[in-house]
Order: sequence, then C-alpha cells, then structure tokens
Amino acid sequence: DTEVTQTPKHLVMGMTNKKSLKCEQHMGHRAMYWYKQKAKKPPELMFVYSYEKLSINESVPSRFSPECPNSSLLNLHLHALQPEDSALYLCASSQRGFSTDTQYFGPGTRLTVL
Amino acid sequence: KNEVEQSPQNLTAQEGEFITINCSYSVGISALHWLQQHPGGGIVSLFMLSSGKKKHGRLIATINIQEKHSSLHITASHPRDSAVYICAVGAGTASKLTFGTGTRLQVTL
Repeated sequence: DTEVTQTPKHLVMGMTNKKSLKCEQHMGHRAMYWYKQKAKKPPELMFVYSYEKLSINESVPSRFSPECPNSSLLNLHLHALQPEDSALYLCASSQRGFSTDTQYFGPGTRLTVL
Repeated sequence: KNEVEQSPQNLTAQEGEFITINCSYSVGISALHWLQQHPGGGIVSLFMLSSGKKKHGRLIATINIQEKHSSLHITASHPRDSAVYICAVGAGTASKLTFGTGTRLQVTL
C-alpha cells in the first residue's frame, strides 16, 4: 500500500470557523509533511514531522496548527483563516525524513476561505 | 539558499515527439527529485537522483553534478504525459526540498 489519503477533498469555511484537515499513511513512514500550493505555483513547505516530533515549521502563521497523534496520522487544525489562505493543501510522507527519500503525496484538500 | 530554475516554463509537443525538460540549481545537493503533477492536484514522484542516470519506461532522468544540471526526457510522448513537471533539490540530510517553478507540458494528437 503506497497510498497517502487526505480528507476532506474539498472544504469551504468562513473566517471564523474552526476545521481540521486529516492525512493518513500506512507505509510505516516516519516523516510526514504539510505543503500549501497556490494555483500555478510549486508546493510550499509548511511543516515537517519526523518520528512524531515537529522538526520544521516554516514560519507558518499560528492560525495553522499541526498535530501528529501517531506515526500514521497527521492533522492540520485551521482557525480564523483569511481568504488568502485558500489553496490546495497537500500532505506527503517519506521513510525517514531525509532529502534522498522519495516523498509520497496525497491527493490534497482544496480549501476555500470565504 | 539554493536557486532552482527550470526550462522551458511551457512546452507544447505533438504525440510521438521526444521531449526534454531542464533543471539547474545553484548550490551542491545530495538529491534531485523529478515530480509530476496532473491537473486536479496529485503529485507523483518520478525519480530521485544523486548521480548518473535513471530510466523508467519512456522516462529518462540524468544529472550532471559538476554542472549542477539535470534533464528529464520523455520518449514517444503521449497526451497522457500532459502535466506539470517539477524539479526539487535537497541538501544534506535535511528533509526540506527546494522546488523549481515547474514546466507545463501539453502533448497534442
């Protein structure tokens, strides 16, 4: 099973809402990533968890809050978002969290903030 | 900080043509990745290179470490190859990749 799953596929939320994005993998990978991708741009790294510890936070605003409850699950909690946060949010996983690892990407959650 | 440049930005080809996409980077790396993204979002990793050449089906990827340059070739292109191809590089053991801006390929019948 080389699949990374993400739910929901689409999310529309208001600026005062609280919502969560979920990502799951069952490949035994110990590194998981959140990326944000705007239209016609490459992915931008937001967070990396390595062995369930937050190892990289790319100065992401606190309205985005990551959580890694166990080695298979990664959540991204959203609160008080802005319209400019509308984007495709991609989750990925890799074996150890090294630059030589192949990263496996989920299909993404398309987020619209009204 | 590594600067990653891809060329061309956009490419249109007819079915059956041989395609080359280029990637240059400014600082020494430990790994270079080629990724494919179809319309609708999903990203698939095609290759990870640290030296030499790799082949998978109709796709060939090469890297020249001295010249800090990599190429992705597609032989006998097909409309299903239409996608954005992204080059990404990593240095040392850190997990963070630096992405190029992508090459948008359209293959027509």
